[in-house]
Amino acid sequence: DQQVKQNSPSLSVQEGRISILNCDYTNSMFDYFLWYKKYPAEGPTFLISISSIKDKNEDGRFTVFLNKSAKHLSLHIVPSQPGDSAVYFCAASGWNNDMRFGAGTRLTVKP
Amino acid sequence: DAGVIQSPRHEVTEMGQEVTLRCKPISGHDYLFWYRQTMMRGLELLIYFNNNVPIDDSGMPEDRFSAKMPNASFSTLKIQPSEPRDSAVYFCASSADGRIVYGYTFGSGTRLTVV
Repeated sequence: DQQVKQNSPSLSVQEGRISILNCDYTNSMFDYFLWYKKYPAEGPTFLISISSIKDKNEDGRFTVFLNKSAKHLSLHIVPSQPGDSAVYFCAASGWNNDMRFGAGTRLTVKP
Repeated sequence: DAGVIQSPRHEVTEMGQEVTLRCKPISGHDYLFWYRQTMMRGLELLIYFNNNVPIDDSGMPEDRFSAKMPNASFSTLKIQPSEPRDSAVYFCASSADGRIVYGYTFGSGTRLTVV
């Protein structure tokens, strides 16, 4: 039962442009949402999060948007850099602290 | 802080053999999670512990899988007998006080190949 879905397995953008990664969830009990970044042969690393009481959280080049009515969140990276090339995982958690992940989107930023 | 330490990094075993994956969480973290990554399903939560006690093991695929946390600094995930479909990357993660706002800290993973 995939409660968190990332429907785009890959995304390719040009350096300097915006990268938009999307994520949908089905469980309305989720109240915290996170994005992780993963390089090959490494574990995922925490990138940015957002609480369900907010609709936007910004950290430098990274902004996460949450649309609760649509059960949708997105990660915007502006401007994109080649070093951003990685697999990005969307994750969601409810009251019980266990986190559910999507399948990931591989982002490639071309110089 | 050395982070979350997993061993071995790679494991190749024959079908039917027992496999044990190991994890040392960050000192002071009282939550420990085991995840499995596959191409089809991404990162799946297998089981998690709070203060060494298993809280939710509903993600453990079958009785062939078992996990233990005998103390605050060590956990194991055992597969017996192993099957080719168990081939995946297994991640351990830990967090302090379940503070989801900071995310979890993941280890580098164990790549398991069952032939």
